[in-house]
Amino acid sequence: AQSVTQPDIHITVSEGASLELRCNYSYGATPYLFWYVQSPGQGLQLLLKYFSGDTLVQGIKGFEAEFKRSQSSFNLRKPSVHWSDAAEYFCAVISDGGFQKLVFGTGTRLLV
Amino acid sequence: DAGITQSPRHKVTETGTPVTLRCHQTENHRYMYWYRQDPGHGLRLIHYSYGVKDTDKGEVSDGYSVSRSKTEDFLLTLESATSSQTSVYFCAISGGRSYEQYFGPGTRLTVT
Repeated sequence: AQSVTQPDIHITVSEGASLELRCNYSYGATPYLFWYVQSPGQGLQLLLKYFSGDTLVQGIKGFEAEFKRSQSSFNLRKPSVHWSDAAEYFCAVISDGGFQKLVFGTGTRLLV
Repeated sequence: DAGITQSPRHKVTETGTPVTLRCHQTENHRYMYWYRQDPGHGLRLIHYSYGVKDTDKGEVSDGYSVSRSKTEDFLLTLESATSSQTSVYFCAISGGRSYEQYFGPGTRLTVT
């Protein structure tokens, strides 16, 4: 079964520092991958997605992610973090394309 | 923002009582989902719908039922609420070829 692992429960970075959040997936074929962000008390907002093609994808709010098939990873990065980036971040993979179902990681809480 | 509303936004109920949560969309999307979010677990799929009157179970469906009599409405019912169902419940919709899911603002349910 498809699964997603986010190994870091919490990460603390200083404002202006760079950020990398880790995501590893388990999926047999080429995965459809997503990163979502959840601000406190809010729903989830899509940051970016990868389906195919260029392995470096750009998203909103200055975020980017790189798909590495050899490492089964889809890490999220930002070169300079702002205090408003403090939130919880979820990586997800499509588990059933027919019904567009997602499997989520357990999330990483970013403290700035 | 995608047009998704959830009601109620907050609810406190007693063990053993029935509870119904409503998700309403204005996007005419085919797929609708109910998730629960708990610390350390991320988001877990409860039930989903792929059309009017077409629903299926997700990962954590025990104790929950759903109904979808109209495209725009997806109801989640706890037949007899238990304390283990205290959680934040999110509705999501999907329907395009992009496989993106759009989330509602959530309902915080407390079962005492």
